[in-house]
Formats: sequence, structure tokens, C-alpha cells
Amino acid sequence: AQSVTQPDIHITVSEGASLELRCNYSYGATPYLFWYVQSPGQGLQLLLKYFSGDTLVQGIKGFEAEFKRSQSSFNLRKPSVHWSDAAEYFCAVDLKAAGNKLTFGGGTRVLVKP
Amino acid sequence: GAVVSQHPSWVICKSGTSVKIECRSLDFQATTMFWYRQFPKQSLMLMATSNEGSKATYEQGVEKDKFLINHASLTLSTLTVTSAHPEDSSFYICSARGLGGEQFFGPGTRLTVL
Repeated sequence: AQSVTQPDIHITVSEGASLELRCNYSYGATPYLFWYVQSPGQGLQLLLKYFSGDTLVQGIKGFEAEFKRSQSSFNLRKPSVHWSDAAEYFCAVDLKAAGNKLTFGGGTRVLVKP
Repeated sequence: GAVVSQHPSWVICKSGTSVKIECRSLDFQATTMFWYRQFPKQSLMLMATSNEGSKATYEQGVEKDKFLINHASLTLSTLTVTSAHPEDSSFYICSARGLGGEQFFGPGTRLTVL
């Protein structure tokens, strides 16, 4: 079945430590890929996106993601986490041929320890 | 940047009443808007695609007579939850698609049905 999977429901990381959030998709072709962040009481904010080209994508707030076709993955990383990075993170795919509809992964809640 | 607003941000209503939620693209025109539903600690589920000037397209399992969508202008889509019941309580999020295909999300509306 076609799906987007975020294996980690929640992750706790110390402030200043590195962070990696996993995302795997199961589709026949490479979709457009996105990472969004949702902070309490706020809407979803786009961190970065991958359409084609360079497989290492730089985003806002110091985030980056790497697309690996062989692993059907699009993992999000940040070298040094700040307390303000505590939020819910969603990976999403756009199948392109489906009217640009987004399918979201289950989300990963990130907690940051001081 | 592209801004999408939603009104109201939260609403409490009695069971059996109808509630209208507005989604506006403030600085761009959107021929397509999307409505999502998010249950607590869960991901976003696409409910329907709203197309300006035509009928909305509903996802499987979403009752179109229950969730009425109107997209009367290029900057406004409305979602009306008719005869709301406690199980309709949820966080409703809209997005508007920009010219580049990217979706910009509103801050969400929290509906509580008593």
C-alpha cells in the first residue's frame, strides 16, 4: 500500500545536540517531498522541499534533508537543536499526478531538554 | 510570503447546530484550497479539495452532505459542518495552493461540539 511513514512517534534530544527525523515513503515513482513543522497553536510551516536535482536540500531554521532514492527516504537533520525547535514535525508527499494533494506521515514530536 | 488565514480560530457549539469556518488567502489568489482534519496527537487527514467555481472533491469516507465546502472566490473557501455532533470535534486546517504548486497552511480552527 502507498504510504508515508515516520517511524519515531517522539524523540527527546538535549539542546545543542544533533537531531535526525526519519521519513520513508512507499510509492512507485519519486514524489515531491516536504517537511513541515507545527508548533502549538500555530499552522504548519514549510521547512524544506525536494522536487528534483541535488539530493541534499537546505531549509529554514538550519534544517536540511537528504533524499535517498535507494532507501525511499527523506530524513530531516539539524546539527544543533535549540529549545525553540520543540514541536511536531511532519513529512509529506505530493504524488504530482493526484492534483497536488499532500499525504502526511504520522508526525514526530520533538522534545528538547535543557 | 503567502499568508492564509482562518476564522474563527476556535469555536464551541451545541450538538445539532451548524458551524462555518472560513479560509482566506490574503496576498495571493488560489484556485485550489484543501481542507484537512487533525485529531489530537495525530496527523493531518485530507478531507476535500476545494476548487474555485466548481464542486469540491471529497476523499473517500468523508460525507459531503456533512461537510459542505464552498469556494466562491479566488481568495475564500468555507467549510460548514452541518448538524455537528461531539464526534465532529477536531482541529480543522485549510491550505491554499500557490502558483508554484506549494501549499500554504492556515493556523487551524479548533471545533468543540458539546
